[in-house]
Amino acid sequence: DAGVIQSPRHEVTEMGQEVTLRCKPISGHDYLFWYRQTMMRGLELLIYFNNNVPIDDSGMPEDRFSAKMPNASFSTLKIQPSEPRDSAVYFCASSLGRGYTFGSGTRLTVV
Amino acid sequence: GENVEQHPSTLSVQEGDSAVIKCTYSDSASNYFPWYKQELGKRPQLIIDIRSNVGEKKDQRIAVTLNKTAKHFSLHITETQPEDSAVYFCAAMANTGNQFYFGTGTSLTVIP
Repeated sequence: DAGVIQSPRHEVTEMGQEVTLRCKPISGHDYLFWYRQTMMRGLELLIYFNNNVPIDDSGMPEDRFSAKMPNASFSTLKIQPSEPRDSAVYFCASSLGRGYTFGSGTRLTVV
Repeated sequence: GENVEQHPSTLSVQEGDSAVIKCTYSDSASNYFPWYKQELGKRPQLIIDIRSNVGEKKDQRIAVTLNKTAKHFSLHITETQPEDSAVYFCAAMANTGNQFYFGTGTSLTVIP
């Protein structure tokens, strides 16, 4: 298995633009998580899905953030409009049972 | 909800010495405690985990101990090497969900 695949690896965008981050979980995993990592706040859970259904989105910072999981093999995290304070590394992780496997992350820079 | 605290935030040791990172948790229902290592610019990767029915687990130079009564668990790295330099995260998970609660991380530097 190729592991959790995220794209793009790096994204630089201008303030106000829409940003879409993508994630392909490990086949067979039934949980998918989106995390944001910054120096100041560490790893923050934004939202997670179980069997494609959003379970807890209380970590989504505001209405500018949205996430979808249309099927078991794909999820997106969208920021619209983006702001400089959204600059961070965004990780997707999937799991079956206890262990999480993280993707390589997307480094987002909003200028 | 669960609250995981991790100490210290930074740790420097001489190569060959031991390193200990400690975490506390608040929810007595938590029963699974993984540790992740994140090298600079890389993804967090699971290095060891422990379940609440055991008190200690070892894997070569790393070990984790758990004290359920006191609600704390620790990561021990012996004979440290420069390649152990990374940020280490502890986490806790309860049976009631599949969500990890992460500590704030410890940046370990092993000085050659």
